[in-house]
Amino acid sequence: NAGVTQTPKFQVLKTGQSMTLQCAQDMNHNSMYWYRQDPGMGLRLIYYSASEGTTDKGEVPNGYNVSRLNKREFSLRLESAAPSQTSVYFCASSGVAGGYEQYFGPGTRLTVT
Amino acid sequence: DQQVKQNSPSLSVQEGRISILNCDYTNSMFDYFLWYKKYPAEGPTFLISISSIKDKNEDGRFTVFLNKSAKHLSLHIVPSQPGDSAVYFCAASGGYSTLTFGKGTMLLVSP
Repeated sequence: NAGVTQTPKFQVLKTGQSMTLQCAQDMNHNSMYWYRQDPGMGLRLIYYSASEGTTDKGEVPNGYNVSRLNKREFSLRLESAAPSQTSVYFCASSGVAGGYEQYFGPGTRLTVT
Repeated sequence: DQQVKQNSPSLSVQEGRISILNCDYTNSMFDYFLWYKKYPAEGPTFLISISSIKDKNEDGRFTVFLNKSAKHLSLHIVPSQPGDSAVYFCAASGGYSTLTFGKGTMLLVSP
């Protein structure tokens, strides 16, 4: 089992460019999440999907869109990247929705210049 | 408004001693608490959790204590090992809400 995988591991974008971060899990989990981690800020929830076919905003959704492609895959899209979106992005999944144990991917380090 | 607070950005402990990491919360609706460990360039990994119906949960060298009246929880690591050096995040949830994380405490265990 690979658990939660994320691609790419690193990305550099210019301001205004777009990109999609990919996430997949092989644990048959219903719920998936996208977080960003900034220095001194902990983990902040961007969007989540409680189950296939549903998505909801988290604490910091502005500038992002998500797609729950199927039960396994949950992507995060930056339509027009800004330097403020420079961060490390983590995808996570859990068997049930809500505040239970979540399993995280290795992260994508994104720099926007 | 920070609902989960880890007031110590860092902690240094000698190998073999006890490490105590603290976490405070403000939301009375939180009823489930978790600790995650994070190494550099890796994702956080789940360590231990506790429900609000308990005041202690133990798993090997790791014990979490919950004081509901003080809205405080702590993670004890005994004995501490150099491999425990990492950032530790406290997280909380209530009802069907998602997890709210603290900002983390960096633990350094020196030989």
